[in-house]
Amino acid sequence: QQPVQSPQAVILREGEDAVINCSSSKALYSVHWYRQKHGEAPVFLMILLKGGEQKGHDKISASFNEKKQQSSLYLTASQLSYSGTYFCGTPSGRSNTGKLIFGQGTTLQVKP
Amino acid sequence: NAGVMQNPRHLVRRRGQEARLRCSPMKGHSHVYWYRQLPEEGLKFMVYLQKENIIDESGMPKERFSAEFPKEGPSILRIQQVVRGDSAAYFCASSPGTGNEQFFGPGTRLTVL
Repeated sequence: QQPVQSPQAVILREGEDAVINCSSSKALYSVHWYRQKHGEAPVFLMILLKGGEQKGHDKISASFNEKKQQSSLYLTASQLSYSGTYFCGTPSGRSNTGKLIFGQGTTLQVKP
Repeated sequence: NAGVMQNPRHLVRRRGQEARLRCSPMKGHSHVYWYRQLPEEGLKFMVYLQKENIIDESGMPKERFSAEFPKEGPSILRIQQVVRGDSAAYFCASSPGTGNEQFFGPGTRLTVL
């Protein structure tokens, strides 16, 4: 079942913060985050493998709440380069065949 | 270290023709995944392959679509008798193992006239 992302779209000014949520009605075993710019390939941001795990680099971080079946991506002091569509992807089951089911995406636009 | 390579980058076909999309994974990666993305939509899983084996093809239409990853050479996604609804961006991703991060290629944009 496809994870649900919220919000669908967000517009920010440079320097503002944003949070993108990814939730599932089924158990989440890991969460993968990607960013895709228009007309380009998705770029891997980070993967969270365990409940309670938090990761981050370069003012972009994420958390994974296994019990709530939810992950959140935090963008701090946003830059113009953060613009794009963000996707979360989750394995289809515990056996983790490698197949990722992606959310519908959250479009982020950062304005000067 | 070259990333995932896909060719062609753009492919135009008329209805009823065949489309062949190629993907060379990153060096050291033996797992390949194909995803389809319709305009303004998300990524939809199609098939997951390891060398010479199809592991999961649950996202691939039963007719007209096939995929392979031979012992030598790139992975190939083949679409026979294309229809307009096949127009999309087809992305290939690779990983060193199951559960690892997947790295995407630049995609092949298929247009069916």
